[in-house]
Amino acid sequence: ETGVTQTPRHLVMGMTNKKSLKCEQHLGHNAMYWYKQSAKKPLELMFVYNFKEQTENNSVPSRFSPECPNSSHLFLHLHTLQPEDSALYLCASSQHLPSQGAGELFFGEGSRLTVL
Amino acid sequence: TQLLEQSPQFLSIQEGENLTVYCNSSSVFSSLQWYRQEPGEGPVLLVTVVTGGEVKKLKRLTFQFGDARKDSSLHITAAQPGDTGLYLCAGGRMTTGTASKLTFGTGTRLQVTL
Repeated sequence: ETGVTQTPRHLVMGMTNKKSLKCEQHLGHNAMYWYKQSAKKPLELMFVYNFKEQTENNSVPSRFSPECPNSSHLFLHLHTLQPEDSALYLCASSQHLPSQGAGELFFGEGSRLTVL
Repeated sequence: TQLLEQSPQFLSIQEGENLTVYCNSSSVFSSLQWYRQEPGEGPVLLVTVVTGGEVKKLKRLTFQFGDARKDSSLHITAAQPGDTGLYLCAGGRMTTGTASKLTFGTGTRLQVTL
């Protein structure tokens, strides 16, 4: 079983569709993240969950709705997206002590989203 | 906003050549990480440096954190096709919780050909 698993790997949706991305981590970590990776842009942090509580929302439009039912699962619900939302969405998890600064992020393989 | 600029953006070299990738910022970071991302996969951590001036070696890869903890470099000796990928630096900030606060760089795409 790989550390962080994302499904689906590829998704094509219309602007009026509702879909969800799923992420599952088998590493026992307490923090989970959604990142957006677009061409010619740095990885953009979208949401952070720590012990199932959302601790960061980087001004993400409300058409992206995260859900974290437990420390091992993270969802990203998508509705009425725009073509510019087409990107690779990466899920990650981590576990570290604050005194150690930023810990290692373990990424999934990503979900490639295309919005028509 | 903390920005991390990487240079060059693209690099195409032949097997056996040496190269250096730079990661620069005007901000100070508590730590600096380097990741490599291969096509169809997520980024994978290569190294973390936490002390200004620190140098770490990982086989043919040498990582350095600037004295002021604002910049970093990655040097690859005798590049191989297996080194092909997107190299990302990421600056870390101290947090009060157990979640990592990372700012990712703009990325350097490396292609090594035979």
